[in-house]
Amino acid sequence: DTGVSQNPRHKITKRGQNVTFRCDPISEHNRLYWYRQTLGQGPEFLTYFQNEAQLEKSRLLSDRFSAERPKGSFSTLEIQRTEQGDSAMYLCASSLGLAEHNEQFFGPGTRLTVL
Amino acid sequence: GQQLNQSPQSMFIQEGEDVSMNCTSSSIFNTWLWYKQDPGEGPVLLIALYKAGELTSNGRLTAQFGITRKDSFLNISASIPSDVGIYFCAGPRVSGGTSYGKLTFGQGTILTVHP
Repeated sequence: DTGVSQNPRHKITKRGQNVTFRCDPISEHNRLYWYRQTLGQGPEFLTYFQNEAQLEKSRLLSDRFSAERPKGSFSTLEIQRTEQGDSAMYLCASSLGLAEHNEQFFGPGTRLTVL
Repeated sequence: GQQLNQSPQSMFIQEGEDVSMNCTSSSIFNTWLWYKQDPGEGPVLLIALYKAGELTSNGRLTAQFGITRKDSFLNISASIPSDVGIYFCAGPRVSGGTSYGKLTFGQGTILTVHP
């Protein structure tokens, strides 16, 4: 296993279009997280899954955003009716989900540019 | 909410020098994680700390979990050009003594190493 993978690495879209990103976590990890990072800032939490259950969503995750992890393996993040303010790096991370050890390993990210 | 403050915001050093950066919070953390991020890539985990007072090394990197559980520092010895990047501290939210999944990140320290 080579780590967390994300596709696509870059996405350029026009305002109003829908986009979908995919994340494949490290295979034995049952927790999967989505973060968003804008220039000059640290990553900000969006949502996370324990297996297929979505356990928490940030208030940053507007109604236009939806995330799924249907079989408890890969996850998708969809943004509907994109806005220029959605331009950011979208990062996925995974962890074993142990109570006392929460090392999260990140993928390379998907850079979204909304024109 | 829990916020992490990193200092300094940026550092310009000569190759071979030692570097020290720190992270403070107004709230306690049960875990401190240090990540390095290269441009256009996701954060890479460098060191994880789990106990107050713990001192952990990873090659030329050394990090400590503060006794008060509200701070941590990262040292890099004998810096080399590939140390260039943004260094983030992060920790999972704590409520009622229990750590939860999502990570809170500092704003990062930008390190530049001159050959």
